[in-house]
Amino acid sequence: NAGVTQTPKFRVLKTGQSMTLLCAQDMNHEYMYWYRQDPGMGLRLIHYSVGEGTTAKGEVPDGYNVSRLKKQNFLLGLESAAPSQTSVYFCASSYSAASAETQYFGPGTRLLVL
Amino acid sequence: AQSVTQLGSHVSVSEGALVLLRCNYSSSVPPYLFWYVQYPNQGLQLLLKYTTGATLVKGINGFEAEFKKSETSFHLTKPSAHMSDAAEYFCAVSDNAGNMLTFGGGTRLMVKP
Repeated sequence: NAGVTQTPKFRVLKTGQSMTLLCAQDMNHEYMYWYRQDPGMGLRLIHYSVGEGTTAKGEVPDGYNVSRLKKQNFLLGLESAAPSQTSVYFCASSYSAASAETQYFGPGTRLLVL
Repeated sequence: AQSVTQLGSHVSVSEGALVLLRCNYSSSVPPYLFWYVQYPNQGLQLLLKYTTGATLVKGINGFEAEFKKSETSFHLTKPSAHMSDAAEYFCAVSDNAGNMLTFGGGTRLMVKP
């Protein structure tokens, strides 16, 4: 039981390049989330999904797109990377709505945009 | 809108000393409150959470937190710090209607031998 896994662990991009971050969970969770973590700002929600085929915007969605084609996978895309997107990205999942449920986090992807 | 304030981005204690990490929140509805811990180069993991019932919540590794509605606080404590407690700690709040957690800025705990 791997929990939540993220690919890749680290990536360097040039401004304007695109990339996709992959999140996978094997806990049969309905809800999945993408956060970014920046120093002193905690984690901020980018997008989330309440089930296969559904996505919704979080607090900081601009510049990102997501897809949830399979229940176990949640992809985060950057179409044209900018230096402001340099951050550590975390994926999380939960069995049901965030209100009282524990979220389980992946190990993170460190992204550097030059 | 919800918000979380963690006083002190860095806290340093000696091994064996009391750990106190402060968290204050604002929420227009009764909140659910969480403390997560992040060890170096890892993702976050749940320490403890308050949903309903007893206001003193016990978590893993000897940590506990008390929900004080009148003070809108959810401070995290541990009677005796261990070197292994060195990590970053995040307080978070959600309401009972939404799908989002709002995190505080985090407090990095350093434990001196």
